[in-house]
Amino acid sequence: DVQLVESGGDLVQPGGSLRLSCAASGFRISDSWMAWVRQAPGKGLQWVANIKYDGTVMNYVESVKGRFSISRDLAKNSIDLQMNSLRVDDSAVYYCVTQQGWGRFDSWGPGILVTVSS
Amino acid sequence: DVVMTQSPSSLAVSLGERATINCKSSRTLFYSPTNKSYLAWYQQKPGQAPRLLIYWASTRESGVPDRFSGSGSGTDFTLTISSLQAGDVAVYYCQQGFTLPYTFGQGTKLEIK
Repeated sequence: DVQLVESGGDLVQPGGSLRLSCAASGFRISDSWMAWVRQAPGKGLQWVANIKYDGTVMNYVESVKGRFSISRDLAKNSIDLQMNSLRVDDSAVYYCVTQQGWGRFDSWGPGILVTVSS
Repeated sequence: DVVMTQSPSSLAVSLGERATINCKSSRTLFYSPTNKSYLAWYQQKPGQAPRLLIYWASTRESGVPDRFSGSGSGTDFTLTISSLQAGDVAVYYCQQGFTLPYTFGQGTKLEIK
């Protein structure tokens, strides 16, 4: 069975940095696009970033371009999201997801909370 | 960006009755070479991560009960729950996977009447 587990969430001040990790099991991340989707408290879902199965392509939503970076570690079978210059509106539960085909998200981790506040 | 608009924002349906949620995209999600519309539906129960229900507008994900069905093509889509059960109380989201950035509808909260 596919399992995704996020870690690294925390309370951080505006302007700070945080690195989220997602440990995958039950499949190889080298076989799947992977993505991060976030959900601000009480709000809807927003796709944040994705990375191609071979690591050659990364895409980002405009609001995080230049601040967030998605990467992968094949040895650990995990993906990371490096978040810099954090803003209050980056506060959200961040979900690690597998992406199939054209942008459909078929497996989700339980999510990890990131709070940006002074 | 493709804007996804769901209606209604909330819905109360009696147990055993039909629930219908609509989703409209600001541009077509139909790709003629594959004859598919790249529209997915998700269910999010309180305190849980979303779950994929439907993709390609009408294909049920493995393990999803057949009382859930999707229809539509192009810009207009519908999620139907044929006979509402108590466990279907959730927020439902549509999402386009046609073009970046992938975008979601604002969600429809489904409750029991």
